[in-house]
Amino acid sequence: EPEVTQTPSHQVTQMGQEVILRCVPISNHLYFYWYRQILGQKVEFLVSFYNNEISEKSEIFDDQFSVERPDGSNFTLKIRSTKLEDSAMYFCASGGGPETQYFGPGTRLLVL
Amino acid sequence: GESVGLHLPTLSVQEGDNSIINCAYSNSASDYFIWYKQESGKGPQFIIDIRSNMDKRQGQRVTVLLNKTVKHLSLQIAATQPGDSAVYFCAENRPTDSWGKLQFGAGTQVVVTP
Repeated sequence: EPEVTQTPSHQVTQMGQEVILRCVPISNHLYFYWYRQILGQKVEFLVSFYNNEISEKSEIFDDQFSVERPDGSNFTLKIRSTKLEDSAMYFCASGGGPETQYFGPGTRLLVL
Repeated sequence: GESVGLHLPTLSVQEGDNSIINCAYSNSASDYFIWYKQESGKGPQFIIDIRSNMDKRQGQRVTVLLNKTVKHLSLQIAATQPGDSAVYFCAENRPTDSWGKLQFGAGTQVVVTP
């Protein structure tokens, strides 16, 4: 069964450093998303992406964040200058249509 | 404010019994709802979805019920198994949001006891 995959599974970085989180969505999907989950809290929407552009972004997704689909298979989330409060689990999701979304296993980001 | 939330933070269920997980939503215009299961250290796993033009939908051992009158959503799991132990989230896609922007509830921890 096709799955969304994410790398790395864990990332530790120093505050102020740039990180890139990578995702390989399910191959025939066209809709892509990033969510985050701070430890013990609910899953929060960050951004949706379709047709090579952002469809919607939340207030969390400020100028420090960017997304890219550099080729036909990868979908990345970049945080330019990480802050302590960026520590969270980051989930990528993809969907064949605009609603049903399948989530990856997540990348646990720890900013020190 | 508008929100999606869960009534019970923790639900303890005996193996073999049926589980019922509840979710309240406040946006009466919401038209699409999803239940996700999240096991420890993993991403949310799609269980079942329902549109607002339906009041019931069944899957394998799961049933989702939607009561639009009281803005209430429930997930029923039949013959609960140890592998059903997880956190369950309801999520909605509101018509005021763009497609695909899911609003998640706080989650209910389901613990299956032998």
